[in-house]
Amino acid sequence: SQTIHQWPATLVQPVGSPLSLECTVEGTSNPNLYWYRQAAGRGLQLLFYSVGIGQISSEVPQNLSASRPQDRQFILSSKKLLLSDSGFYLCAWSIGNTGELFFGEGSRLTVL
Amino acid sequence: AQKVTQAQTEISVVEKEDVTLDCVYETRDTTYYLFWYKQPPSGELVFLIRRNSFDEQNEISGRYSWNFQKSTSSFNFTITASQVVDSAVYFCALSEAWTGRRALTFGSGTRLQVQP
Repeated sequence: SQTIHQWPATLVQPVGSPLSLECTVEGTSNPNLYWYRQAAGRGLQLLFYSVGIGQISSEVPQNLSASRPQDRQFILSSKKLLLSDSGFYLCAWSIGNTGELFFGEGSRLTVL
Repeated sequence: AQKVTQAQTEISVVEKEDVTLDCVYETRDTTYYLFWYKQPPSGELVFLIRRNSFDEQNEISGRYSWNFQKSTSSFNFTITASQVVDSAVYFCALSEAWTGRRALTFGSGTRLQVQP
């Protein structure tokens, strides 16, 4: 069966520091991969999605970036965090055209 | 552009009450999918149901039921005889079937609190 893991689960970082969140999927090949952000008390905002290795589409211009170095690995990065980057980050995967997403456990980022 | 609206920010009910969560969507596509997800306090989103735009039959799964009405662009979710374990944030989402984007657009969520 397919599983998805992301880490770290919790992160507290100072403003201006770098960020790296990792996500891996097991049990499937060539999935579509996604990074969503959920700000406190708000809905989910799509940040990036990828349909293949090295293929990244950005939904919202910001100081975050994403990379897909391997088929089942998706990384969210920042060179310098802002206070507004605080939130709950969710990685997800999907297969096919129906759009059904399966989510990881989430990473809670607090920028101080 | 597609849009999902969940007008109810927060609902509080007492255990065993029935509760309906509203979802209204906008899309220009004729082929699309609608979803409901549950987000318990742990944070992980749990998939509940997917419906495609050609299937307007209502669906029931245990205490959960979904009412899809294309005429009003609504996809409402009803929990019958609610339980404390139903307390969570519920998200409605939309996917347009033929765009390369293949990503879900989520509503802002409805927080359901079931009191014992």
